[in-house]
Amino acid sequence: EDQVTQSPEALRLQEGESSSLNCSYTVSGLRGLFWYRQDPGKGPEFLFTLYSAGEEKEKERLKATLTKKESFLHITAPKPEDSATYLCAIPNSNSGYALNFGKGTSLLVTP
Amino acid sequence: GAVVSQHPSRVICKSGTSVKIECRSLDFQATTMFWYRQFPKQSLMLMATSNEGSKATYEQGVEKDKFLINHASLTLSTLTVTSAHPEDSSFYICSARGELAGYPYNEQFFGPGTRLTVL
Repeated sequence: EDQVTQSPEALRLQEGESSSLNCSYTVSGLRGLFWYRQDPGKGPEFLFTLYSAGEEKEKERLKATLTKKESFLHITAPKPEDSATYLCAIPNSNSGYALNFGKGTSLLVTP
Repeated sequence: GAVVSQHPSRVICKSGTSVKIECRSLDFQATTMFWYRQFPKQSLMLMATSNEGSKATYEQGVEKDKFLINHASLTLSTLTVTSAHPEDSSFYICSARGELAGYPYNEQFFGPGTRLTVL
């Protein structure tokens, strides 16, 4: 059964304090691993898609990496505006390309 | 590119009434649209998958007679919550997948969500 597990559930950082969020997954044949950002009361905002182990993608202060069992979202020198819930997802094996989401990591960056 | 809109953004209705939520892909043709539901402090849960011109495929536990989905065109899908009850109160989010220049085919783009409150 496809599974996505994110940790930690919540993370509080001071501005400038770098850290990483974890997404571990089990799937029979990965068809992409997706990272989204979700602000309260809004839909998820697409960040990255990773397809194969060793792949890395960057956007501003965020870098996503992928291994055969997990993905990391590294946040370098975060700012308060990076505060959000970060969601990891993989395509559902039974529902075409619908996504199975992890429970997310709620990130709070304080000044 | 890759803009998905939803309307309305927020709706409050009385128990027993029906509510229609629209999901539109504004700058690409969405061959597939997905409907998700998100309860407070929880992640998104897939409700159904709809392909243009076909009947929707519902996830286990989702009542197809209660949550009517229509995907009549490549840019519009609608979700109708029939005879809504307070337990249907939730955040409903659609996503769209299709061919968009510069993006792999299986990328999904999400709408801003619709907050439904049933009194």
